[in-house]
Amino acid sequence: EVQLVESGGGLVQPGGSLRLSCAASGFTFGTYAMNWVRQAPGKGLEWVSGISRSGADTYYADSVKGRFTISRDNSKNTLYLQMNSLRAEDTAVYYCAKSPRDILTGSSHWYFDLWGRGTLVTVSS
Amino acid sequence: EIVLTQSPGTLSLSPGERATLSCRASQSVSSSYLAWYQQKPGQAPRLLIYGASSRATGIPDRFTGSGSGTDFTLTISRLGPEDFAVYYCQQYGRTPFTFGPGTKVDIK
Repeated sequence: EVQLVESGGGLVQPGGSLRLSCAASGFTFGTYAMNWVRQAPGKGLEWVSGISRSGADTYYADSVKGRFTISRDNSKNTLYLQMNSLRAEDTAVYYCAKSPRDILTGSSHWYFDLWGRGTLVTVSS
Repeated sequence: EIVLTQSPGTLSLSPGERATLSCRASQSVSSSYLAWYQQKPGQAPRLLIYGASSRATGIPDRFTGSGSGTDFTLTISRLGPEDFAVYYCQQYGRTPFTFGPGTKVDIK
């Protein structure tokens, strides 16, 4: 079955750190760009970060730049998000999301055709 | 950053009616790199439309995307009971990739 399963969420104090993981199965993980998208309680969607197929290129929203680091281990079919210096406004459900490839050119298209169920991160004292 | 604005914020309609949702960008979205998603309570978003007008796999043909440049539209020709949800547009032509605030389609 094609799926993404996030883990690692929980309650953390302001200023603390947390590492999220996303386990992929049912597709060739290393051939697709991947992303993290978050949703604060009762709010809309916010793209957080993206990473290229090889991991050589990474992209971040301004709101997390310098605090969050995206990475991947293609041998383990796993995506990560290291979150440092957490703030109350980082409280959200964090989704892992796959970006498809253009069939002809092989380049990534940065929309999201497969989503995990999300993991909740709560930043509070 | 490209800011997306969606209207209306809430659309109250009856099953069988036509829904027209708007997404406007603060700058032109290159190559019509615009997608639409549907999200129901407690669920992850689901891709409906990409490239402004291409339906994703398994999406029924009552969902139609159109538009280019800065103005895009999602039309649901006849609302089924399963279509009452929140709809988001997203541009992926330029980082940071941004979402609109969403349009909630609820039952009148």
